[in-house]
Amino acid sequence: NAGVIQTPRHKVTGKGQEATLWCEPISGHSAVFWYRQTIVQGLEFLTYFRNQAPIDDSGMPKERFSAQMPNQSHSTLKIQSTQPQDSAVYLCASSFGQGASQNTLYFGAGTRLSVL
Amino acid sequence: AQKVTQTQTSISVMEKTTVTMDCVYETQDSSYFLFWYKQTASGEIVFLIRQDSYKKENATVGHYSLNFQKPKSSIGLIITATQIEDSAVYFCAMRESLNTNTGKLTFGDGTVLTVKP
Repeated sequence: NAGVIQTPRHKVTGKGQEATLWCEPISGHSAVFWYRQTIVQGLEFLTYFRNQAPIDDSGMPKERFSAQMPNQSHSTLKIQSTQPQDSAVYLCASSFGQGASQNTLYFGAGTRLSVL
Repeated sequence: AQKVTQTQTSISVMEKTTVTMDCVYETQDSSYFLFWYKQTASGEIVFLIRQDSYKKENATVGHYSLNFQKPKSSIGLIITATQIEDSAVYFCAMRESLNTNTGKLTFGDGTVLTVKP
């Protein structure tokens, strides 16, 4: 099992450009989560999908951020018109999503986004 | 609202000793789940161990164990026989059962553990 795969590992964008981050969850996992990590804010929840359906996006900035899960094998996080304050490590995690085992999240290595 | 607090910013120990990292949490829920994760120097976040609030027995996995004190809303992580490679940032996290539909974990700020030879 390859674990949660995130690409790219590093992304540098200019202010105002668009950034798309990719996540491939662990095979068989039906829940996918996106988190953001910064020195100041720590680990922040962004959004969550279960069986590809968006369940909770309460952590997503209302403007410029969007997430999709078009199929069970990948999810994307898109940031339009990137700003320097969007610089962070974006982490994807997945879990089984069924019963008690759904509670354990397994994280990918993250994508480090740098907005210049 | 749920909250997780790790008061120890950093800890330094000698190799092969035992270390305890503290974590306290706040929740309105009677059923919840507590986790410890480790973030390595490469940035990888690795799941270590979990405690379900309805279980009285402290969880143990390898050289990781938990000290769950429910009346104190406390979940300490104990690492025995520490190794150099245990040096990392350790995060405590909680998930309330009310949030089962969201799956959202709330994390503490982390404790930096340095294991010296």
